[in-house]
Amino acid sequence: DGGITQSPKYLFRKEGQNVTLSCEQNLNHDAMYWYRQDPGQGLRLIYYSQIVNDFQKGDIAEGYSVSREKKESFPLTVTSAQKNPTAFYLCASSWDKIGYTFGSGTRLTVV
Amino acid sequence: RKEVEQDPGPFNVPEGATVAFNCTYSNSASQSFFWYRQDCRKEPKLLMSVYSSGNEDGRFTAQLNRASQYISLLIRDSKLSDSATYLCVAHQETSGSRLTFGEGTQLTVNP
Repeated sequence: DGGITQSPKYLFRKEGQNVTLSCEQNLNHDAMYWYRQDPGQGLRLIYYSQIVNDFQKGDIAEGYSVSREKKESFPLTVTSAQKNPTAFYLCASSWDKIGYTFGSGTRLTVV
Repeated sequence: RKEVEQDPGPFNVPEGATVAFNCTYSNSASQSFFWYRQDCRKEPKLLMSVYSSGNEDGRFTAQLNRASQYISLLIRDSKLSDSATYLCVAHQETSGSRLTFGEGTQLTVNP
């Protein structure tokens, strides 16, 4: 079955560490997105990529980095520069830039 | 001002009630609109698109008023399984073609 897979489901990070969240899709979608959701809040866009080897900053890109070397993969690195990384991270992909398919998310906690 | 604003909620209603959610958007360049449903600790899932002519899907009716920049969702004969957070979403082609999410309105349907 086609879909979008995020891993891990839960991730714990120590202060000062970089961590990478995985996002893989086999839907043949060109566009991929990373959102962050804090409790009781909506989704905020971190980075997005509309084609391989190209990506743009979203509204809250500081402290994050991404790569898009393959169409299927759009990993997100949360760097030590991100001061408040505890959140629910959602990856999405789209073939028409409108209809999104979301992964099941990664919950990141700083310990 | 937030680009997409929703009723703050939460809404608590008995089974069988009719409940309406309201949403406004500030970017007149927004072209497409959607309602997403998000269950607790899960990813958002598309509930329905919103068209100017209004559209209905079973017990759910969505309306768009472009002149007022207003979107609504009506749920009739609410079920326990309708309990979730409902996210109002706007798509802007000019902002790198991505979705902007409201903060969501939480609905609890009680037996």
